[in-house]
Amino acid sequence: QVQLQESGPGLVRPSQTLSLTCTVSGGSITSGSNYWSWIRQTAGKGLEWIGHIDASGSTNYNPPLNSRVTMSLDTSKNTFSLKLTSVTAADTAVYYCAREGTNWGNWLAPWGQGTLVTVSS
Amino acid sequence: QSALTQPASVSGSPGQSITISCTGTSSDVGAYNFVSWYQQYPGRAPKLMIFDVTNRPSGVSSRFSGSKSGNTASLTISGLQAEDEANYYCSSYTSTNIVFGGGTKLSVL
Repeated sequence: QVQLQESGPGLVRPSQTLSLTCTVSGGSITSGSNYWSWIRQTAGKGLEWIGHIDASGSTNYNPPLNSRVTMSLDTSKNTFSLKLTSVTAADTAVYYCAREGTNWGNWLAPWGQGTLVTVSS
Repeated sequence: QSALTQPASVSGSPGQSITISCTGTSSDVGAYNFVSWYQQYPGRAPKLMIFDVTNRPSGVSSRFSGSKSGNTASLTISGLQAEDEANYYCSSYTSTNIVFGGGTKLSVL
């Protein structure tokens, strides 16, 4: 079965770029018509969808984050990645990657275990 | 402030049934049948329980069911068990985004 695992720095300085990678095992990110999503969770704002990428590299981002987000695929490593620029303390969150259904937004499963990213100097 | 509105908490006794509501608008819950529900234990990742309003993924107990009327979706858990105590989140597609509810803490008394 498909499993996902996030990786990346746990601490990012303000104004810098947050970079995370999601490694997919048990299936290829290019098989099927799924999207591959990033979601974050904070105690204050709850769950927030960041965006997704499909097997062709086409992306959709949450409009409020659109100017700061870039997602990409590495098919040779079966991974997809998130970059979030100009981070502030408000970007401190647990970041999850997840497989999304073949229709935009119909389901997210499974999720990775999540990784805490703290933005602090 | 979350896009979808859920009660902060609900509670029930073992064996009882409870329903968690998720209220959106005619631009999200009311417009599309892409409503899903997630169960989350503290410190763990969310788990899909219901998708496309009423469908259960393989492996999810039939005690979990979903429905929708207008701009409000609902998750019903019948025959409550202690293991059902968790946080539950609804989600909906909106044409430009995926939005979530603020979460409901279910206590099994």
